[in-house]
Amino acid sequence: GDSVTQMEGPVTLSEEAFLTINCTYTATGYPSLFWYVQYPGEGLQLLLKATKADDKGSNKGFEATYRKETTSFHLEKGSVQVSDSAVYFCALRVTSGTYKYIFGTGTRLKVLA
Amino acid sequence: GAGVSQSPRYKVAKRGQDVALRCDPISGHVSLFWYQQALGQGPEFLTYFQNEAQLDKSGLPSDRFFAERPEGSVSTLKIQRTQQEDSAVYLCASSEGQGPYSNQPQHFGDGTRLSIL
Repeated sequence: GDSVTQMEGPVTLSEEAFLTINCTYTATGYPSLFWYVQYPGEGLQLLLKATKADDKGSNKGFEATYRKETTSFHLEKGSVQVSDSAVYFCALRVTSGTYKYIFGTGTRLKVLA
Repeated sequence: GAGVSQSPRYKVAKRGQDVALRCDPISGHVSLFWYQQALGQGPEFLTYFQNEAQLDKSGLPSDRFFAERPEGSVSTLKIQRTQQEDSAVYLCASSEGQGPYSNQPQHFGDGTRLSIL
């Protein structure tokens, strides 16, 4: 069945460091891919999305490229800030039936000043 | 505009009690989803509504779980005879679109944290 695998956290970085959070997926068809972020005490917020191969989603300095050949959707940011500290979830939208989301387990990022 | 609203924000119940969790989706959103998020895990799908029709309930873990959306707007997730393993955050999400041709993202509420003692 469809699934999402994320790198385990926590990831601890210094401010202005480069961030990569790996995400790979298994899916039937060509799913849409998403990154959601969950700040402490808050709900899930959409960070970025990509709907087809080679699409690049971007928002708030974060980027992720839909790589069909490697079934990956890695999240990157060139210079992280303390305010980026949160849990990041990679998700895919299944391509049939209910079009529900399947989430990875989440990666906690902690950025130190 | 208003986002997805869930209530209560926190719920504590004794094992064996029934609980009801409410979700107010974004106005006009056709699709509504319920997810269960265990501690340290990603959300897992429970059930899906398109307007008032419950089209998929394959993720409901047992027949103690029941969801409804009678008028195609507000939804209620009910858990009967709660067990300790039901302790989790229950998330509601809505989206404007439906079906395979919609790329509208899901918008999530802040969730209800349920603790069963």
